[in-house]
Amino acid sequence: GAVVSQHPSRVICKSGTSVKIECRSLDFQATTMFWYRQFPKKSLMLMATSNEGSKATYEQGVEKDKFLINHASLTLSTLTVTSAHPEDSSFYICSARGGSEAFFGQGTRLTVV
Amino acid sequence: QKEVEQNSGPLSVPEGAIASLNCTYSDRGSQSFFWYRQYSGKSPELIMSIYSNGDKEDGRFTAQLNKASQYVSLLIRDSQPSDSATYLCAPSGNNRLAFGKGNQVVVIP
Repeated sequence: GAVVSQHPSRVICKSGTSVKIECRSLDFQATTMFWYRQFPKKSLMLMATSNEGSKATYEQGVEKDKFLINHASLTLSTLTVTSAHPEDSSFYICSARGGSEAFFGQGTRLTVV
Repeated sequence: QKEVEQNSGPLSVPEGAIASLNCTYSDRGSQSFFWYRQYSGKSPELIMSIYSNGDKEDGRFTAQLNKASQYVSLLIRDSQPSDSATYLCAPSGNNRLAFGKGNQVVVIP
């Protein structure tokens, strides 16, 4: 399958700071990228869908001013968690789709202290 | 309305047996589906795509799509302990790629 690289894999930040997570498609052009959040032993929750060059479409209940998504190129999307709080601690995962199939990055485990 | 419904389980299967997982969907317009496997603490990995009615086999995995009854299933033959994971299905044609709770499988040695 195609390769999607997500960075960093783990990050610890202080409450009130912002954290940026990168998602890169390494061997294909991703016209669409998806961002998910997953709490321990819970379902994978879609946060937003972004198409290259367009504003992201956020799922109901997801604050777009808190979770900033940028999809400026066909190989890179970023998620910035702004003014992070302990309740934002979670596993964040991106997925990229170029054709019909979508592939996931390795995920980023965010801990806000 | 959720796109897919899966029985979150867990489904316990003896090693070597067949694990049968079902996923029902609400949108009659859905034409094709993905099956992903997610190990605990890891991100999902794509294991099967099915684009037409009927069966598709890949190694020990067989996906079945029944558009008339609006379900897609996954059979895992000769189940191994390494198959213990959560299996997620999703329609592939939508601009949203949203998942349900998944089917948790536990293969007992």
